[in-house]
Amino acid sequence: AQTVTQSQPEMSVQEAETVTLSCTYDTSESDYYLFWYKQPPSRQMILVIRQEAYKQQNATENRFSVNFQKAAKSFSLKISDSQLGDAAMYFCAYRSAFWGGADGLTFGKGTHLIIQP
Amino acid sequence: SAVISQKPSRDICQRGTSLTIQCQVDSQVTMMFWYRQQPGQSLTLIATANQGSEATYESGFVIDKFPISRPNLTFSTLTVSNMSPEDSSIYLCSALRDSTDTQYFGPGTRLTVL
Repeated sequence: AQTVTQSQPEMSVQEAETVTLSCTYDTSESDYYLFWYKQPPSRQMILVIRQEAYKQQNATENRFSVNFQKAAKSFSLKISDSQLGDAAMYFCAYRSAFWGGADGLTFGKGTHLIIQP
Repeated sequence: SAVISQKPSRDICQRGTSLTIQCQVDSQVTMMFWYRQQPGQSLTLIATANQGSEATYESGFVIDKFPISRPNLTFSTLTVSNMSPEDSSIYLCSALRDSTDTQYFGPGTRLTVL
């Protein structure tokens, strides 16, 4: 079974600065997807960024980028120019890409991101 | 992305009763999923719901407690049966967008059992 570990229960950053959230995972599969989701107090889960394991290029979405290290099974999220609206719980998630593999997402425990004005 | 709605958004129920949560997707999807998020915790997959077949339940979740229906490609329901205070959680529906292999989530249903 796959596991996802987020070792930072809480992170704090000053507005406009850069912060990196850590995520490691354990799997024996070679093809999979990794995701970062954001959950603000409204509890709506919002997709932040998606990475396909077979792609070596790191995904980017505006101020959000990832550092995907497949050999190290590491998938960190970098948020540049942090904004007050970035404050939320951030969850790292894994999904198998194999036909017949687990279809659902396996989530880490989450990191609570605080933005200091 | 996908637009997903859930009803009810929240409810307070008495122990021993049942609640059915509805999930509607704005377009046809192959796979839908139900997750539970206990207070202050992460999300845990309850089951996968495919149209035309029985739902597939994860370890620790059983059909008698969490019956699921998937009558068509845009709709699913989750029933929480014979509720106890331990069932107090947020229940989230999600749908898989096949073109991107990405799951999108509904707004969740906050359930409190007294």
